[in-house]
Amino acid sequence: DVKVTQSSRYLVKRTGEKVFLECVQDMDHENMFWYRQDPGLGLRLIYFSYDVKMKEKGDIPEGYSVSREKKERFSLILESASTNQTSMYLCASSPRANEQFFGPGTRLTVL
Amino acid sequence: AQRVTQPEKLLSVFKGAPVELKCNYSYSGSPELFWYVQYSRQRLQLLLRHISRESIKGFTADLNKGETSFHLKKPFAQEEDSAMYYCALTGTSYGKLTFGQGTILTVHP
Repeated sequence: DVKVTQSSRYLVKRTGEKVFLECVQDMDHENMFWYRQDPGLGLRLIYFSYDVKMKEKGDIPEGYSVSREKKERFSLILESASTNQTSMYLCASSPRANEQFFGPGTRLTVL
Repeated sequence: AQRVTQPEKLLSVFKGAPVELKCNYSYSGSPELFWYVQYSRQRLQLLLRHISRESIKGFTADLNKGETSFHLKKPFAQEEDSAMYYCALTGTSYGKLTFGQGTILTVHP
């Protein structure tokens, strides 16, 4: 059974703080993704990675960066959190060009 | 650019009634289409994909390339079908998905 875990279910941070969201998958998947989920906007891709140390910008990368030092771990970094980054963040992983498996999500609130 | 449109934010039906969730897409090549579902307090999961041509939980979806649509249908809705449904498209080798805005389906008893 594929397992994608995210480090926190709920997170509250202050404007300007540096925020790390961690995602770990245990199925040796090549691809990993970070989305944000907002009502009425659906899921929007922030960044994805198709291999260790490889990353590609998604549709809304501004204000975010990512790190993939190990195959199983994909981190999303908010260098200086802002209130408009308050959202639900979903991580996903997949074998090449196949079904994506999602984590439970992290609800981030930036005050 | 690829785009997925789900015109209905909310859809309400009664138990036993037919249900259709609409999805239209724009893509210049040959896309692969998916429906994902998120039940209350559960993670997002794949419901079905067009290439498998399966019926999952009584749901089916047919890819209509002429109308660029991939509507999700079920002849008799059940209360446990209440959830958020997302239509998604990929056309890349990395499997990068473009999602629609989502439709919240509520099935009343």
